[in-house]
Amino acid sequence: QVQLVQSGAEVKKPGASVKVSCKASGYTFTSYGISWLRQAPGQGLEWMGWITAYNGDTNYAQKVQDRVTMTTDTSTTTAYMELRSLRSDDTAVYYCARSYRQRENDYWGQGTLVTVSS
Amino acid sequence: EIMLTQSPGTLSLSPGERATLSCRASQSVSSSYLAWYQQKPGQAPRLLIYDASSRATGIPDRFSGSGSGTDFTLTISRLEPEDFAVYYCQQYGSSPRTFGQGTKLEIK
Repeated sequence: QVQLVQSGAEVKKPGASVKVSCKASGYTFTSYGISWLRQAPGQGLEWMGWITAYNGDTNYAQKVQDRVTMTTDTSTTTAYMELRSLRSDDTAVYYCARSYRQRENDYWGQGTLVTVSS
Repeated sequence: EIMLTQSPGTLSLSPGERATLSCRASQSVSSSYLAWYQQKPGQAPRLLIYDASSRATGIPDRFSGSGSGTDFTLTISRLEPEDFAVYYCQQYGSSPRTFGQGTKLEIK
């Protein structure tokens, strides 16, 4: 069965960086992409971007494109999302989700809480 | 950027009733590339509907989606206790992908 398992919660200071991992299993990793999304406390969902595991091409949301890097490691079927220059409003639960060609997100990770606080 | 507006913000209904949730786009959604997700507290969202009207794997047939262009609807024919949650629409016809603000379906 398709599973996406994310790394654990993080607490970071403003200005620091965070790297969240997403381990995929149960499907052919390079046939799909991975979306990264986030949800601030009590708020709705925000799409951050997408990466294809086939060749690493990315599509980032303009809001975060200067601070985010998405990568994949096909040898370990793991996707990564690094966000730099963290601010308090980056505090959120970060999700990875499987997505074919940037379409619907059909399987989701369990979420990773990133807290940015001094 | 396509803005999605969901209505109502909160819907109060009883089990067994029919629920109709709306999602309106600020411009036409290409190829009806619209999805609906259900999210319960403390859980990740779950895909219900894609391409406006196709049910995702394992989704009961009481969930149905319809619409095209700028107006889309999620209908739950007979509410079960486990259906009370927050529902989001999302368009994936253009970048950036965007979500509606959500409709909370609560027990009356």
